[in-house]
Amino acid sequence: AQKITQTQPGMFVQEKEAVTLDCTYDTSDPSYGLFWYKQPSSGEMIFLIYQGSYDQQNATEGRYSLNFQKARKSANLVISASQLGDSAMYFCAMTDAGNNRKLIWGLGTSLAVNP
Amino acid sequence: GAGVSQSPSNKVTEKGKDVELRCDPISGHTALYWYRQSLGQGLEFLIYFQGNSAPDKSGLPSDRFSAERTGGSVSTLTIQRTQQEDSAVYLCASSLGSTVFQPQHFGDGTRLSIL
Repeated sequence: AQKITQTQPGMFVQEKEAVTLDCTYDTSDPSYGLFWYKQPSSGEMIFLIYQGSYDQQNATEGRYSLNFQKARKSANLVISASQLGDSAMYFCAMTDAGNNRKLIWGLGTSLAVNP
Repeated sequence: GAGVSQSPSNKVTEKGKDVELRCDPISGHTALYWYRQSLGQGLEFLIYFQGNSAPDKSGLPSDRFSAERTGGSVSTLTIQRTQQEDSAVYLCASSLGSTVFQPQHFGDGTRLSIL
């Protein structure tokens, strides 16, 4: 069965430093998409970055980059130059093999950025 | 509006009552999704619509849950005879739907509390 694993329940980082949030996944489908979302305390889910399984290069969006290691089935999110506003829950998700409109979600990592 | 709009933002009701949650997607987005997020958990897929049809209802927890979408726009999620385990945040998302890997854009959610 497909599964997303986020092994870090909570992370701390100093402002202006980089941080990596881990995500591993399990699927037998050769075609899939991987997503990262941010959920601040206000509750809204904010799309950050997307990586397709056939994409040759790692996705980047501003300060966010996705370290995609297909053989290891990992899709870690790297946030460079952390800001106080980055403090939030971060969720990794992937498309469901049986229905690629459906996303399978990890349990999230809580990131706290310290001044 | 520019984003996905959900109402009400909070709903408190007594066990056994029916509730109706509303989602107004981003204009032009043909795909619409409902998720449930329980405290400290990731997101649980409930149902998605492509236009007005719901190809996948497999995530609905029981026959007390139903959803509809009219005019390819607004959707309502109805929970009949609410139970305490229905207490959660119900999130709605929409996407362009033109390709399967379009990111989903979320509303702020409805926090449902069953007394």
